[in-house]
Amino acid sequence: RKEVEQDPGPFNVPEGATVAFNCTYSNSASQSFFWYRQDCRKEPKLLMSVYSSGNEDGRFTAQLNRASQYISLLIRDSKLSDSATYLCVVIPLSGGYNKLIFGAGTRLAVHP
Amino acid sequence: DAGVTQSPTHLIKTRGQQVTLRCSPISGHKSVSWYQQVLGQGPQFIFQYYEKEERGRGNFPDRFSARQFPNYSSELNVNALLLGDSALYLCASSLDPGTGYNEQFFGPGTRLTVL
Repeated sequence: RKEVEQDPGPFNVPEGATVAFNCTYSNSASQSFFWYRQDCRKEPKLLMSVYSSGNEDGRFTAQLNRASQYISLLIRDSKLSDSATYLCVVIPLSGGYNKLIFGAGTRLAVHP
Repeated sequence: DAGVTQSPTHLIKTRGQQVTLRCSPISGHKSVSWYQQVLGQGPQFIFQYYEKEERGRGNFPDRFSARQFPNYSSELNVNALLLGDSALYLCASSLDPGTGYNEQFFGPGTRLTVL
């Protein structure tokens, strides 16, 4: 079983749509959670951190459910510029260093 | 401020050859991590260095090695290249890997093709 699993996608949605991505992780001792965005042939960039209390950044809402080991990302009012691959990232407990464990990513294509 | 820089941007090698990839972290960052991203997959952790010492290693064979220099730049070396080593190699820098979470900022990567 992979440490971090995501919906494979691709998700093809019209502008203005609401889209949700899901992610599960296998290590219950994981300590930090994030969503990264990666544009085609570019490097990953941090989109937002994910907390149990949920957090929102404009049109983006992230949620963590530790009991179910489940992470979600909701994008409201999709824009063409949201087209990218969204990577779910977990940091497990490690001995004094932080390694990012990435899911395979979910590709989003927003069309006019 | 300049971000993380990597060189070269692209590289083509043949099986059995050796390659060295280079990374310069953001000014003031003392930790460098290396990741391998195969097409269609997420990045996979290879190494993390801090203050010139290896802090962590992922599940990669001994053909992969790295080092960090006094100026905190880093090199990743891969020996005896295999076709499966073809990937985007990403370098990420952060302030300090051991004091809570410090965001890792990624460079643009080196795209390695092994023929």
